[in-house]
Amino acid sequence: EVVLTQSPAALSLSPGERATLSCRASQSVPNYLAWYQQKPGQAPRLLIYDVSNRATGTPARFSGSGSGTDFTLTISSLEPEDFAVYYCQQRSNWPLMYNFGQGTKLEIK
Amino acid sequence: QVQLVDSGGGVVPPGKSRRLSCAASGFTFSNYAMYWVRQAPGKGLEWVGLILYDGSEKHYADSVKGRFTISRDNSKNTMNLQMDGLRNEDTAVYYCARGDGSGYYFDFWGQGTLVTVSS
Repeated sequence: EVVLTQSPAALSLSPGERATLSCRASQSVPNYLAWYQQKPGQAPRLLIYDVSNRATGTPARFSGSGSGTDFTLTISSLEPEDFAVYYCQQRSNWPLMYNFGQGTKLEIK
Repeated sequence: QVQLVDSGGGVVPPGKSRRLSCAASGFTFSNYAMYWVRQAPGKGLEWVGLILYDGSEKHYADSVKGRFTISRDNSKNTMNLQMDGLRNEDTAVYYCARGDGSGYYFDFWGQGTLVTVSS
């Protein structure tokens, strides 16, 4: 089973700053990794898929990168609406299962 | 526009059953795999299970295997989650989600429905 570990658990930044969120897999995974944003009281929203492709409606300030075991979500200049919890996610094929990281809470400083 | 509406949550005693539903609209439901994902209070996301577009295959997380059953009715654009033998640790918000077509991601989510397992 692949375990996804996100770091940091929480990140305090100010609007306008750059945010870098990490997702590390316990073993090398194919480039089928996604990032989701979840705001309080809301369902998650797909932001990034296939490591670096922005989903429909995702602003260009969000970018994804990485390969193998190390993946990164970068928000180039934080907007007030970006403060939320972010989850990485991937699929394992055998057995078939979908894994999420534990999340990174991005807080306003 | 794509819409998924989750319903059926509530308070359930341990060991009892509950059936959740997901009503879909705004897309051709029968073309998409559908999923259930849950989130315990204050915790992260946990995949529960999936059903292929035609119901021919279903897969479950180990934590619910043998207790939960996913079904769908493509004529009614609905998916269900039958939860039997509920445990305290099944307390969570349950979200239905649509597969994005690749089989790897969830591109639209319902608003979630809270199931509380408590005596």
